[in-house]
Amino acid sequence: DTAVSQTPKYLVTQMGNDKSIKCEQNLGHDTMYWYKQDSKKFLKIMFSYNNKELIINETVPNRFSPKSPDKAHLNLHINSLELGDSAVYFCASSQEAERIGYTFGSGTRLTVV
Amino acid sequence: DQQVKQNSPSLSVQEGRISILNCDYTNSMFDYFLWYKKYPAEGPTFLISISSIKDKNEDGRFTVFLNKSAKHLSLHIVPSQPGDSAVYFCAASDAGKSTFGDGTTLTVKP
Repeated sequence: DTAVSQTPKYLVTQMGNDKSIKCEQNLGHDTMYWYKQDSKKFLKIMFSYNNKELIINETVPNRFSPKSPDKAHLNLHINSLELGDSAVYFCASSQEAERIGYTFGSGTRLTVV
Repeated sequence: DQQVKQNSPSLSVQEGRISILNCDYTNSMFDYFLWYKKYPAEGPTFLISISSIKDKNEDGRFTVFLNKSAKHLSLHIVPSQPGDSAVYFCAASDAGKSTFGDGTTLTVKP
């Protein structure tokens, strides 16, 4: 009974392709996030949605487009993939983020070849 | 511009002893600080948090200390157990948005 589930877990694709990563949470949380963990292990926020509304949009290339059809889902679509997009992407959700933190998914390892 | 730093990439301690993980930050606007634990091939798991108006918060074997004047926080684990071996991330929150450090790998030897 996974709280935050991401699919796929692994994704290997060629440069220039378009791909999507899906995320779903069954916790009833209002806020969802996408974080990117690069090769230096930093976790950097990309986007945050609260009840389907975009509230955080960090400096991310326009090739990345989040979509939240409802508050339980936050998908990430990436166009024209580049080698530098290779990373682990984590989805997370929260209700009282400061006090009890985020609940993360297990990550999607994206490799662009 | 790295606002949250964990200067020790790794730490090794003996089972039963204390583990102390450190974190420094630069932004005075952070109002909460959090620690997460991460096992390989899994997402980070929330451990403990502390409000910026407090200097200590304890939960079982885990205690977080905050020194606002030094912009420094630490996580104490006592006694350390082999199952605590993982990567530990500190994070600082401003209006619900968390900025993470780059992690410290803790190894607890039996």
